[in-house]
Amino acid sequence: GESVGLHLPTLSVQEGDNSIINCAYSNSASDYFIWYKQESGKGPQFIIDIRSNMDKRQGQRVTVLLNKTVKHLSLQIAATQPGDSAVYFCAENKGNQGGKLIFGQGTELSVKP
Amino acid sequence: DSGVTQTPKHLITATGQRVTLRCSPRSGDLSVYWYQQSLDQGLQFLIQYYNGEERAKGNILERFSAQQFPDLHSELNLSSLELGDSALYFCASSDPGTSVTSEQFFGPGTRLTVL
Repeated sequence: GESVGLHLPTLSVQEGDNSIINCAYSNSASDYFIWYKQESGKGPQFIIDIRSNMDKRQGQRVTVLLNKTVKHLSLQIAATQPGDSAVYFCAENKGNQGGKLIFGQGTELSVKP
Repeated sequence: DSGVTQTPKHLITATGQRVTLRCSPRSGDLSVYWYQQSLDQGLQFLIQYYNGEERAKGNILERFSAQQFPDLHSELNLSSLELGDSALYFCASSDPGTSVTSEQFFGPGTRLTVL
């Protein structure tokens, strides 16, 4: 069935290092992918998105890479800070299903000072 | 603050009961989405409304129903509650305009505990 999954459930990095969070998806017909950050006790917060006709998109300190050949999505966070500690979810949107988002299980990022 | 509000913040009830969760979208947003987040199932899409009409449906149980009112706020009704319905329920809103690929803004959630 359709699924968006994450390779690692937890990731621990040193403050200042770069972080890479990975995600695999199963449906090659997906149009749009999004990364969300969820801090404890809060709702998911949009970080960055990428459409299926792109393979890279950059934001402030974040970069999303999309490899459609192997159905892989990654989120790179540069110079990781303690405030980046959270659970990160990738999500998939298929345009023919309205705004339905299919979320991965999440990766917990822990930043060590 | 995303601009999406949800009430109540916490809800504790007993099995077999019925509850209503309320969501007010961001000003101007026409779409409202409901998600359930549990430890075993993660974040699961339940249902989407656009300007009062149902737009997309996920694996929403028959015991659950939702609606969007003319003022665009939405309610999620959960009935015949079971222990397994204990979860965080999130509402999100977006203004899709002519595209369905619009950022969804999530509210703070309602934590439902069924005893």
